[in-house]
Amino acid sequence: EIVLTQSPATLSLSPGERATLSCRASQSVSSYLAWYQQKPGQAPRLLIHDASNRATGIPARFSGSGSGTDFTLTISSLEPEDFAVYYCQQRSNWPTFGPGTKVDIK
Amino acid sequence: QVQLQESGPGLVKPSETLSLTCTVSGGSISSYYWSWIRQPPGKGLEWIGYMYYSGNTNYNPSLRSRVTISVDTSRNQFSLKLSSVTAADTAVYFCASGHSYGLFDYWGQGTLVTVSS
Repeated sequence: EIVLTQSPATLSLSPGERATLSCRASQSVSSYLAWYQQKPGQAPRLLIHDASNRATGIPARFSGSGSGTDFTLTISSLEPEDFAVYYCQQRSNWPTFGPGTKVDIK
Repeated sequence: QVQLQESGPGLVKPSETLSLTCTVSGGSISSYYWSWIRQPPGKGLEWIGYMYYSGNTNYNPSLRSRVTISVDTSRNQFSLKLSSVTAADTAVYFCASGHSYGLFDYWGQGTLVTVSS
């Protein structure tokens, strides 16, 4: 099983600030890493696939980078609707998810 | 735009079989990968398994002995059966689909299944 760890567990920021979320894999997943956003009571939404490709309809303020074992999701300037939990997920092996990073309002 | 909707009992007794159905609209089930994912209350996401429309399946090793995913192309539906459930199987169950293995582009709204006597 490929284990994903995310840091920090919680990120407290203000609207307009830059958010940097990290995801580390227990072994290389190449570029098979995705990011999802989940708001309370909703299903997750795909933001980024294959490490750096924005999904359809995702704003340009979301960007992803990395390969191998270390990945980053960056939100360039937080909008009010961006406060949520973010999960990374790998599909190099059978799919697994990270524990999530909660981005909340400072 | 593919839309997914889960349906099934919200309460299942311990040791019984959990059965859920996902109805697909806005797209054909004869394409894509069709998955089930669950989320215990207040916790993270766990992939249960997938079926490709051709019939290929792959399951989470930790659940493989208890899981069956099937597709009914005539009804544009796919289903999950999880046997011998315990309280640890209490979760919101999501159906999801993707154009590539292990990618989840579209999600249902999720349905809470509680395992309790």
